[in-house]
Amino acid sequence: DTEVTQTPKHLVMGMTNKKSLKCEQHMGHRAMYWYKQKAKKPPELMFVYSYEKLSINESVPSRFSPECPNSSLLNLHLHALQPEDSALYLCASSQDRGQGALIGYTFGSGTRLTVV
Amino acid sequence: TQLLEQSPQFLSIQEGENLTVYCNSSSVFSSLQWYRQEPGEGPVLLVTVVTGGEVKKLKRLTFQFGDARKDSSLHITAAQPGDTGLYLCAGEYNFNKFYFGSGTKLNVKP
Repeated sequence: DTEVTQTPKHLVMGMTNKKSLKCEQHMGHRAMYWYKQKAKKPPELMFVYSYEKLSINESVPSRFSPECPNSSLLNLHLHALQPEDSALYLCASSQDRGQGALIGYTFGSGTRLTVV
Repeated sequence: TQLLEQSPQFLSIQEGENLTVYCNSSSVFSSLQWYRQEPGEGPVLLVTVVTGGEVKKLKRLTFQFGDARKDSSLHITAAQPGDTGLYLCAGEYNFNKFYFGSGTKLNVKP
């Protein structure tokens, strides 16, 4: 299995809703990432998990809450979002630098989020 | 602040032409990657370069890492419509931490 699977593919939510994005990989990768991509812009790093521990938070607002329940799963919990948070949310995984290998990301297809 | 600048931002060429995309920074990278992204999909890794001066070839694509590991280029020979997409470079500055370049949108017309 060489894929990163993201669900749902599309999500429309109101500003008072609580929802979660899910990401799964079975490649033995020990680093997992959340990126946010606005239209016609490059992906922007949000969070990095290394060996299931949060290692990088790029000053993301607290209305985004990541969770890594085990080495294969990564969630992004959403609460009280704003319309400007509408974007493509990409999950990626890679071997951790601590595993010593030359790393490259494998990306999921993303969740297209619309906040209304 | 954009750490990695790509040029050109947009490129529209005819099938069969050659092209070069550049990725530049004032910072040194531990490694650098190139990705291609199609609309509605996640980026797909094309190559990772690590050593200054390194050159890698992937069929009609040639990737070069600058000697000082601050810049990189992607050259495509005899472009085809299937090469159309958004090309992104991503530089590794710290452990597990990559930042993406501003992107080059390539359109190859048949």
